[in-house]
Amino acid sequence: KAGVTQTPRYLIKTRGQQVTLSCSPISGHRSVSWYQQTPGQGLQFLFEYFSETQRNKGNFPGRFSGRQFSNSRSEMNVSTLELGDSALYLCASSLLAGSTSTDTQYFGPGTRLTVL
Amino acid sequence: LAKTTQPVSMDSYEGQEVNITCSHNNIATNDYITWYQQFPSQGPRFIIQGYKTKVTNEVASLFIPADRKSSTLSLPRVSLSDTAVYYCLVGRSNDYKLSFGAGTTVTVRA
Repeated sequence: KAGVTQTPRYLIKTRGQQVTLSCSPISGHRSVSWYQQTPGQGLQFLFEYFSETQRNKGNFPGRFSGRQFSNSRSEMNVSTLELGDSALYLCASSLLAGSTSTDTQYFGPGTRLTVL
Repeated sequence: LAKTTQPVSMDSYEGQEVNITCSHNNIATNDYITWYQQFPSQGPRFIIQGYKTKVTNEVASLFIPADRKSSTLSLPRVSLSDTAVYYCLVGRSNDYKLSFGAGTTVTVRA
């Protein structure tokens, strides 16, 4: 069974630009969550999508947005990039959303975004 | 969301057993305890999950005392490739998605 895939793996952008990252969950998984990881802040939750609906949202500005398609693939978008947005962006998929305490998240390899 | 406390770092040598203890004093009745492993520039990888007593799989063991206010991840006979950050998470699925904490950096030396 293929794991979670993320594209692109590496990205370099300049301040003010926007970026779109893509995530394909494990086949059959309907929940996709996004995280930002930086050395200073650790791993922080951005948002979760389930059945094309945003179910949970972390404490990030509106410049960070996402969506999920009918095939469960998800994209996240960051507009008006800032230097502080440089981070490893991780996507995780799970079978169900929220309600199952034993539900395991499976992470992709991440997209390394560098903002110059 | 139950707050967790883990040591910042631990050092070990190849072939030794590594035990990482996580404190979670305000764990709720329905909360599970989950451990993830993360290598540099990779996504976290699920290691083990438990609710009480002891859970063992091919990678690790998880010991949870009766009061469930702490848990210990045990990695038997570590190798250099076990050098990673280990995260302890406590809560229901939709809770632990909010915070992974700082984790414990385990360094295994030859």
